[in-house]
Amino acid sequence: EAGVTQFPSHSVIEKGQTVTLRCDPISGHDNLYWYRRVMGKEIKFLLHFVKESKQDESGMPNNRFLAERTGGTYSTLKVQPAELEDSGVYFCASSPRTGVNHEQYFGPGTRLTVT
Amino acid sequence: AQSVTQLDSQVPVFEEAPVELRCNYSSSVSVYLFWYVQYPNQGLQLLLKYLSGSTLVESINGFEAEFNKSQTSFHLRKPSVHISDTAEYFCAVSSPGGSYIPTFGRGTSLIVHP
Repeated sequence: EAGVTQFPSHSVIEKGQTVTLRCDPISGHDNLYWYRRVMGKEIKFLLHFVKESKQDESGMPNNRFLAERTGGTYSTLKVQPAELEDSGVYFCASSPRTGVNHEQYFGPGTRLTVT
Repeated sequence: AQSVTQLDSQVPVFEEAPVELRCNYSSSVSVYLFWYVQYPNQGLQLLLKYLSGSTLVESINGFEAEFNKSQTSFHLRKPSVHISDTAEYFCAVSSPGGSYIPTFGRGTSLIVHP
């Protein structure tokens, strides 16, 4: 079974440009999460999809970030326009359901550098 | 609100030595506790978790952690580390009946030297 995959693994863009990150969850997982880690800091929650619906987007920093999950499969996270403080590692995770296991399966992350 | 403190950003240790990675949390409600590990160029993997029951939990590769409610701690230990244990370790907390979104600490980089 393939794990959570993310594309690209690295992205270097200039301030003001647009970047789109993609996450493919484990097949059949309804729950999809985005997190971000700024260097040396905590991994912070951004948002949570259940299928194609946004369940919780309380962690999204501002309206320059747009997440979508059309069809309830893969998800994209677009940053437009990118700012220097958006640099960090963006993780995606998926889980089959919320419940007693609480286990989320994480992807390898996308390292975004804004110069 | 919940928070997790990992006081040590980096822990260097020699191979076969014991190690303890510290984790303290704050929460006004009961908690679930987790340790995740990130090996180089890989995603986070769940290492072990405490949900209920025995306060001592173990992983398949020799790590263990003990939930100490009075000290609000969940320290991770291993009696003898290997080079392959070099990785970043994240402690996390979530709440039963909540949104199951974990709150993470800043991570501890374990560096095992030969």
